[in-house]
Amino acid sequence: GAGVSQTPSNKVTEKGKYVELRCDPISGHTALYWYRQSLGQGPEFLIYFQGTGAADDSGLPNDRFFAVRPEGSVSTLKIQRTERGDSAVYLCASSLNGLAGLGETQYFGPGTRLLVL
Amino acid sequence: DQQVKQNSPSLSVQEGRISILNCDYTNSMFDYFLWYKKYPAEGPTFLISISSIKDKNEDGRFTVFLNKSAKHLSLHIVPSQPGDSAVYFCASNSGGSNYKLTFGKGTLLTVNP
Repeated sequence: GAGVSQTPSNKVTEKGKYVELRCDPISGHTALYWYRQSLGQGPEFLIYFQGTGAADDSGLPNDRFFAVRPEGSVSTLKIQRTERGDSAVYLCASSLNGLAGLGETQYFGPGTRLLVL
Repeated sequence: DQQVKQNSPSLSVQEGRISILNCDYTNSMFDYFLWYKKYPAEGPTFLISISSIKDKNEDGRFTVFLNKSAKHLSLHIVPSQPGDSAVYFCASNSGGSNYKLTFGKGTLLTVNP
């Protein structure tokens, strides 16, 4: 696989349900990022993994949101008790060493479009 | 409070002309700036970047200019092509972070044939 892949591409759920969004980063990339893009906004940082550990989860909006990366490759973003305001595109990105702020290119996946009814 | 601002939601130009997309930032700690391009139903793709130690970076038809005193940067596309039609996001490293990026809201560029 050449790029970052995300599944599902679209997810429709009902308020109160639990959802899991999956990200497969580029092989060999140690850094993985999750962003949320609401309508009319730019991507908003949620969480950053370096290897298996969440190095910075300061962007997660509340404790209904949780993410894991148990083997340092695939990551899952988990949202409990979904609310209508969680509807957005959830973007995953990866980079080689976690230096996106110093010129290292971040590669984004196509996103998962989440709609909470 | 938006730290990276793109005040023009949209821009329309004729093919062959120059496109100028603008971005302002508020935090003087930001020292690396990037432009991403996004087509519908795809993730953003990196376009060009600039470090605060420079005031210009050029890559083919794309040039980014940085004015640190004004906390302003711009992306110039010359000549514009219909395939350049996309949403362009300005981004910067948050507070000088090594990994965290703050994005603007984006500008939709339409290049008319």
